[in-house]
Amino acid sequence: SQQGEEDPQALSIQEGENATMNCSYKTSINNLQWYRQNSGRGLVHLILIRSNEREKHSGRLRVTLDTSKKSSSLLITASRAADTASYFCATGRGGGNKLTFGTGTQLKVEL
Amino acid sequence: SAVISQKPSRDICQRGTSLTIQCQVDSQVTMMFWYRQQPGQSLTLIATANQGSEATYESGFVIDKFPISRPNLTFSTLTVSNMSPEDSSIYLCSVEDVTGGTDTQYFGPGTRLTVL
Repeated sequence: SQQGEEDPQALSIQEGENATMNCSYKTSINNLQWYRQNSGRGLVHLILIRSNEREKHSGRLRVTLDTSKKSSSLLITASRAADTASYFCATGRGGGNKLTFGTGTQLKVEL
Repeated sequence: SAVISQKPSRDICQRGTSLTIQCQVDSQVTMMFWYRQQPGQSLTLIATANQGSEATYESGFVIDKFPISRPNLTFSTLTVSNMSPEDSSIYLCSVEDVTGGTDTQYFGPGTRLTVL
């Protein structure tokens, strides 16, 4: 299977803490995208990082990419209860190509 | 970013019947993708749908079970045929945003299918 792995599978933290999720993949990529899914609904695109980038920021999100280790991490700073969701990484191999999704991390942020 | 809608949002169907899911995009796109998410699982690509040609199916998915139409650049349908309880899943369509050259893929809200 080409599916990536994410860890942890589940993460429970207190509001205000930081949450870090990791993603590993198996093949060479052009980009890696992170998505959020609330309660089995549609996916919300969070951030895309290209293979020639090492770090990217968007608001409270920080994504890193290490192509030598075939891994990426998503950091959510100062978490809120509204961040409670499942988070997926997905690797792409360029324009018009399909995404391969990781197994996902279920994040629970408690008040 | 592309705005995608799907119909129906959810449905409960009987074994042996078929359901057609519609996906509408607010802009013209070359490629549309259909994914399945089984309960508690990640997403798996079913097929890629190009306008004017037959869909390309991933390993484990066949046209007889999941026929796809792509009549124009803003619309596609996925049919789940001869359903069984194992087909209970969320089905999502997606498109790639090529206008900004970002390769970002955007997803519709999904169709939650329950087969009894």
